[in-house]
Formats: sequence, C-alpha cells, structure tokens
Amino acid sequence: KQEVTQIPAALSVPEGENLVLNCSFTDSAIYNLQWFRQDPGKGLTSLLLIQSSQREQTSGRLNASLDKSSGRSTLYIAASQPGDSATYLCATNNNAGNMLTFGGGTRLMVKP
Amino acid sequence: NAGVTQTPKFRVLKTGQSMTLLCAQDMNHEYMYWYRQDPGMGLRLIHYSVGEGTTAKGEVPDGYNVSRLKKQNFLLGLESAAPSQTSVYFCASSYGAPLSTTNEKLFFGSGTQLSVL
Repeated sequence: KQEVTQIPAALSVPEGENLVLNCSFTDSAIYNLQWFRQDPGKGLTSLLLIQSSQREQTSGRLNASLDKSSGRSTLYIAASQPGDSATYLCATNNNAGNMLTFGGGTRLMVKP
Repeated sequence: NAGVTQTPKFRVLKTGQSMTLLCAQDMNHEYMYWYRQDPGMGLRLIHYSVGEGTTAKGEVPDGYNVSRLKKQNFLLGLESAAPSQTSVYFCASSYGAPLSTTNEKLFFGSGTQLSVL
C-alpha cells in the first residue's frame, strides 16, 4: 500500500525566504504526482502536476521536482510572501487505477 | 466559473440521523470522488465514480452510500450518523482518471463541515 509522507508538518519562515517542502512516497511505481494548496476552511487548489516521466514542473515562483527512484518530490517556493501561507499537500496515484494517496500536508506560515 | 459545488457547507446531526451531501460539477467531468479530511489522518477516499451510473468503494466506505444518477451530480449519504463521522467532507472531480495525464488534474469543492453529536 502506498504511503505518502510530508515533513515537516509545519514550517514558519520570514517573508522573502526561499523554501522547500518535501513529499516522500513508499511505492516508486507512481503514475504522476500533484501538489495542492489548501487555505483554512477551503478546498484544495491544484498547483502543479508532474508526470512520472518528467523531472520538474514550474509555475511562477513555484517549482516542483520528482525523483521516482528515491521516492521523493519537492516543492520549491521562491521569494516567499505572506499570501503563500497555507497548507500544501502532495498526492500520487499508481498504475493500478483511480485512487490517489495524499500526504498529511505541510502547514506553511510566512511572516511579514 | 462554478467548478465543483458542495451543499450544505455546515451541518450538525444527532447520532442516528440521516442526511445527504450533494456535489455538483459543471465541467463535464467523468470521474467524481468523495473524501473525508480529519486532523492527523489526511484525506481519505470514501467512494468514487468513473461515470454516470457507476460507483465504487474507496478506502473508508463503511457507513456511507453514494449515487451518481446524473453525470454532473454525486451524492453522499449517511444512513445512520455516528460521532466517528464528524469530519470535513470534500468532493472532487476530474475529466479522466486523475493524474493519468498532464491534463487530468483533480478539482475540489470547498467542503462540508459535519458534526455528529
């Protein structure tokens, strides 16, 4: 059974810092991996989706990388802003079908 | 753009009561999902549907039933609510099998906060 872990569970940084969020998974036979953002009391918003054949995806100040062999993905946020404060979750599926496995999320606080 | 809409947003039930949560999507998506989110447990899949008239069990299906009579709607029912079902429920949808291609992103509703006393 796939297990997805995100460490740390919470992170606090000053505004302007570059930071990295980590996601690890136990079964490397993943199809793809998706990063989400969740604001308090809200649903999840898709940030980036990386196919298993890709190494990274970029959107603005966000860069997500994927290393299947080591079972890891990272989300890099450049020049962090208070508006980036949220919980970030990663999820992956496997070739078996339709079920995604989510990590527990990293709660990010960017202080002005 | 409405996207994925969930109703109601909040509900309080007494143990043993029943209720139905409604999810509606206007993106012509085939796949729809119900998740629950609990502190320290992450998101867990309850049931899902790969098209109109189909349903399948997820990771934690016990105590829940679902129906997908119309492509745009996915209903989650609790026949006899229990305190263990206190949670935040999220509906999600995707056009194809989620994450199967670059375009198969998963879209979420804003959630339903359910408390069972």
